Amino acid sequence: GQQLNQSPQSMFIQEGEDVSMNCTSSSIFNTWLWYKQDPGEGPVLLIALYKAGELTSNGRLTAQFGITRKDSFLNISASIPSDVGIYFCAAPNTGNQFYFGTGTSLTVIP
Amino acid sequence: GAVVSQHPSRVICKSGTSVKIECRSLDFQATTMFWYRQFPKKSLMLMATSNEGSKATYEQGVEKDKFLINHASLTLSTLTVTSAHPEDSSFYICSAPPTGRNNSPLHFGNGTRLTVT
Repeated sequence: GQQLNQSPQSMFIQEGEDVSMNCTSSSIFNTWLWYKQDPGEGPVLLIALYKAGELTSNGRLTAQFGITRKDSFLNISASIPSDVGIYFCAAPNTGNQFYFGTGTSLTVIP
Repeated sequence: GAVVSQHPSRVICKSGTSVKIECRSLDFQATTMFWYRQFPKKSLMLMATSNEGSKATYEQGVEKDKFLINHASLTLSTLTVTSAHPEDSSFYICSAPPTGRNNSPLHFGNGTRLTVT
């Protein structure tokens, strides 16, 4: 199936630092989603993007739909300990399904 | 809105027994629900698509007799792990798209941690 590659695979940062991660694909998509999964929980939707070039913010989070439509980026500003978790990108498959990225694990050191 | 409730959140069972996991859409109807399995620090692996009123569609390599899926109503899908073995221990998650909108973001349950002893 389609592979959505996320980079980096894991990050260890100090509280207060900014975070950048990305998601790339060999295919073009018309929707990009970003989810966060806390340990032992299900993924929660952070941001949905529907247009190439779109830049959308949700509090300290900002996501961008890449111009090529083959990638997306997520930035977190001024990280805090509760930002810890795994971040997944997702893009549409057929029948309301989605492909999910390989995940970026974020650890914030207080 | 668009809340998905999954129950139980955690279950421990003995080898050979069966375990049922429920997934409910609380404030919307879901003609389709998805079941995933997730290994530690890995991405979500789609197991099957649950279809209201018809048979589930299983992904390649997933045993349908092992993982029984029933989608009895527009708000409830169940996954039964039959004759569970330790290798079935995993984190199982369901999701559902709100009906009627293409590419509508999936809403996930909180997952079920299954431990088979």
